[in-house]
Amino acid sequence: GAVVSQHPSRVICKSGTSVKIECRSLDFQATTMFWYRQFPKQSLMLMATSNEGSKATYEQGVEKDKFLINHASLTLSTLTVTSAHPEDSSFYICSARGDRTNEKLFFGSGTQLSVL
Amino acid sequence: DQQVKQNSPSLSVQEGRISILNCDYTNSMFDYFLWYKKYPAEGPTFLISISSIKDKNEDGRFTVFLNKSAKHLSLHIVPSQPGDSAVYFCATISGSARQLTFGSGTQLTVLP
Repeated sequence: GAVVSQHPSRVICKSGTSVKIECRSLDFQATTMFWYRQFPKQSLMLMATSNEGSKATYEQGVEKDKFLINHASLTLSTLTVTSAHPEDSSFYICSARGDRTNEKLFFGSGTQLSVL
Repeated sequence: DQQVKQNSPSLSVQEGRISILNCDYTNSMFDYFLWYKKYPAEGPTFLISISSIKDKNEDGRFTVFLNKSAKHLSLHIVPSQPGDSAVYFCATISGSARQLTFGSGTQLTVLP
């Protein structure tokens, strides 16, 4: 199956710093990438949708200036959590879809962000 | 308002028996459903899907049933194995970007 690589898998940072998470599709061109967030014992909540070469579409309640998404190529999307605060501590997961992967989304392995 | 609901947060089953995980949805326009399995600190992995034109799809030990009139789907795992212990999410496709909307998940524990 299609492979999506996400790193880092774990980040611990101080409050006020920015953290960048990378998501790469390894064996297909990802026309659309999605970023999800999961708090403990809760569901995966969609944060934003990005298409290559265009601005991301953010879900209601997600601050676009805080969660910067760049989808500059068909194989790479990045999520930057700017000026992170403890309440941003969460598990962030990217997923990708290419033209040939139908409706299935393939997920990265996730990034556990802990802001001290 | 949750569009996809999994009302059982947890389920325990003896090894070798059947596991049945349930999911309800609210919008009759949803036409494609998926089940994902997730281990802690990992991304979800795709298990099985079903289109609304079918009422059953089977893949090895996993079978998904869809009851459109009841807006209900279920995932059957038989026989259950300890390695099946994980959180299972049902999901549907929605929105202009055809993004996944997940249920809240059910923690399955298969006891040896």
